[in-house]
Amino acid sequence: GDSVTQMEGPVTLSEEAFLTINCTYTATGYPSLFWYVQYPGEGLQLLLKATKADDKGSNKGFEATYRKETTSFHLEKGSVQVSDSAVYFCALSDNTGANNLFFGTGTRLTVIP
Amino acid sequence: NAGVTQTPKFQVLKTGQSMTLQCAQDMNHNSMYWYRQDPGMGLRLIYYSASEGTTDKGEVPNGYNVSRLNKREFSLRLESAAPSQTSVYFCASIEGLGGLEGYTFGSGTRLTVV
Repeated sequence: GDSVTQMEGPVTLSEEAFLTINCTYTATGYPSLFWYVQYPGEGLQLLLKATKADDKGSNKGFEATYRKETTSFHLEKGSVQVSDSAVYFCALSDNTGANNLFFGTGTRLTVIP
Repeated sequence: NAGVTQTPKFQVLKTGQSMTLQCAQDMNHNSMYWYRQDPGMGLRLIYYSASEGTTDKGEVPNGYNVSRLNKREFSLRLESAAPSQTSVYFCASIEGLGGLEGYTFGSGTRLTVV
């Protein structure tokens, strides 16, 4: 079945460091891919998405490219801030009628000043 | 503000008690979902409703029931709570256009069963 494998955390970075969080997926069809972010005490918020191969999603300085050849959707940011501290979830939608989302286990990022 | 509203935000139950988690969305979305979030396991789908009047089981439905009361509301019921149901529960909704848009999540219900 469809699944997402996400880089284990936690990740601790200094402010202005480069961030990569790895995500790979397994899917039988043509999924859409997402990154969600969860700030402390809050629900998940959509960070960015890509709906087909080679699409690049971007938002708030974060980017991820849908790579069908490597079945990956790695999250990157060139210079992290303390306010980026959160848990990041990679997810895929199987694009069937039910539109179910399959989530990775989440990666906790802490950015220190 | 438009979005998904969950109540209550926190709840403590004794083993064997029952309760209903409420969820309402005001975005006229067709599909609604209940997920649970456990440490190290991401989010897992409990039940979903692809449209008003339909409900289907997700990955972990045992011990739960749901009701799609109308297009806005989708409730989750624990008939006899167990400690294994201690978790954070999230409701989500989507317009239903094949995953092209992201889900909108509520802020969660933290449930502890003792």
